[in-house]
Amino acid sequence: AQKVTQAQTEISVVEKEDVTLDCVYETRDTTYYLFWYKQPPSGELVFLIRRNSFDEQNEISGRYSWNFQKSTSSFNFTITASQVVDSAVYFCALSEAGDDKIIFGKGTRLHILP
Amino acid sequence: DTGVSQDPRHKITKRGQNVTFRCDPISEHNRLYWYRQTLGQGPEFLTYFQNEAQLEKSRLLSDRFSAERPKGSFSTLEIQRTEQGDSAMYLCASSLAGPQNQPQHFGDGTRLSIL
Repeated sequence: AQKVTQAQTEISVVEKEDVTLDCVYETRDTTYYLFWYKQPPSGELVFLIRRNSFDEQNEISGRYSWNFQKSTSSFNFTITASQVVDSAVYFCALSEAGDDKIIFGKGTRLHILP
Repeated sequence: DTGVSQDPRHKITKRGQNVTFRCDPISEHNRLYWYRQTLGQGPEFLTYFQNEAQLEKSRLLSDRFSAERPKGSFSTLEIQRTEQGDSAMYLCASSLAGPQNQPQHFGDGTRLSIL
């Protein structure tokens, strides 16, 4: 069975602090894909990143970085030098190869305080 | 390049009425998905199409729900005899077909409120 757990329901940090959002997943497949999406107050889900299960290299995109560790089934997301505009709900998600539906976690609501 | 478009943005209706939502995907995307999101939860998969073929339906999609994509372009989601529990945000997404689970791009959603 597929499952995505985001244990942090809500996080608040002061602007310019670094913050890490945790994600733990479960799957029986050896080939799968992990995603992060951002949902700002406007409501639209914005795609941030997709990783496949064979690529464990960490990825950095500007202030965003992702740490994928198969050994712990985790795909954590770090925002460096946070900004108020980063305030949103962030969803981690999983999709198994050959099955296009995405299984989402419950999300982490991130508040960046000025 | 326009994104995924959904109409209407909001729908308020009385219990027992039928409602229909429309989704226009990104033009070159041949896959189209419907999800439902309730307050404080992540989106839950309902169904998806490749071109005009409906390839998978979730158990969440009761007999009162029907989705179509008649010409492989836009899609409609109809809910008959709406119930209070149908109140949610209905999200549409589209993607390219491919061997590597392409990213799905979402619309703004249709928020349904049942009185």
